[in-house]
This record gives sequence, C-alpha cells and structure tokens, in this order.
Amino acid sequence: EVQLVESGGGLVQPGGSLRLSCAASGFTFSSYWMSWVRQAPGKGLEWVANIKQDGSEKYYVDSVKGRFTISRDNAKNSLYLQMNSLRGEDTALYFCTTLSDYWGQGTLVTVSS
Amino acid sequence: AIQMTQSPSSLSASVGDRVTITCRASQGIRNDLGWYQQKPGKAPKLLIYAASRLQSGVPSRFSGSGSGTDFSLTISSLQPEDFATYYCLQDYSYPCSFGQGTKLEIK
Repeated sequence: EVQLVESGGGLVQPGGSLRLSCAASGFTFSSYWMSWVRQAPGKGLEWVANIKQDGSEKYYVDSVKGRFTISRDNAKNSLYLQMNSLRGEDTALYFCTTLSDYWGQGTLVTVSS
Repeated sequence: AIQMTQSPSSLSASVGDRVTITCRASQGIRNDLGWYQQKPGKAPKLLIYAASRLQSGVPSRFSGSGSGTDFSLTISSLQPEDFATYYCLQDYSYPCSFGQGTKLEIK
C-alpha cells in the first residue's frame, strides 16, 4: 500500500522555524520528483516547491524563496521542508505529493503569536 | 510566473448534467496541464494529465482538452460523487501554478 505520511506541523510564532517531514512507502520513492503543496484554511491549492529524484534540482514559489528549503533522503524514503522566518500567510495544510497518484493527508502549520 | 485563470469559480448543476470548466494560462504552456478533484477534508486527486490523458482508474465521463493557453475539463454526465472542487495545474515552467478552483455544487 502506498503511503505518504507528513509530520512536523504545529503552532509557531512569526519569525520561527519548523521542519516538515514526509515518510514514503509502497512505491519507488527515488524514482519520483517530489513536491510540497499547501492549502490555507478555506482557500485553494498553492504549489510550494519541488525536488528532482537525485536532489540536484530544486524549485520554489517566489513567496518562499530564501526562507524554505526542500530536501530529500532517498535512503530513508523521506522528503523534508525546512521553513524559516515563518509568516502568518504561511499558515496552511502542507501536502507531500508526487503530483500524480500519490498524496499525503497533510500536516497543519499555524503561524501565530 | 504563469497565472492560471479558472472559470467559473463556482457552478451549480444537477446529476446527469454535462459541465465544463475552463482554465486559461497567461502564456502558452503547450499541453503541460493537469486537472485535480478535491473533496472536503481530503487530498487532491489527479484526473487528467498532459491536458487530455485520463489518469488510470478515473471514470471515462471525465475528459480534458486544449493546448497552448486554453484548456477545459468536461464531465459528461454528473454523478453524485463528482460534487467537489476542481483545480488546474500548469507544470510547464517554474513556479508551477494552480488555478483558483471551481466549486461544483448540487443544484
């Protein structure tokens, strides 16, 4: 059974940091580009970042460039999102996904004082 | 960055209706477009990729068309389980971008 399980979300103050993790199983993780997609409460989907199979290419939406870093560990079948200098507008449910068949259920990040 | 403009933002229809949702890109994106369905509290589900290719396991009542800047998703005969929110996504160039969504509601 394919699973993508996100963790690491929570409540953080503005300016703080969080590291999201995504544990993959049931498919060949190292064969896929992986993405983070977020959804603010009651809002639409926003693509955040993605990373090539070997980690050699990474892309970000402009609003997170310089603050967020995507990474992966294929030996551990894991995807990460390091989020620094967090802002209120980063409050969202963060999904780990291949953008095709495989999506996690999301981890909620709330940025508030 | 490429902007994706989706319309309508909401749509009310009945079971059995044929509905079409459109997505317009701010510049040409070849056929690098997908359509997703999202139900409340759930992750999105890919329906269509490469503008017109049906994802495995998706019912044939869903179809996609278009290339360049103008795209559409058509549901030929609405079923009760189709009432959801639909999004387009371009992956022609970075950053990838979603349309703002179309909420399909029961009339």
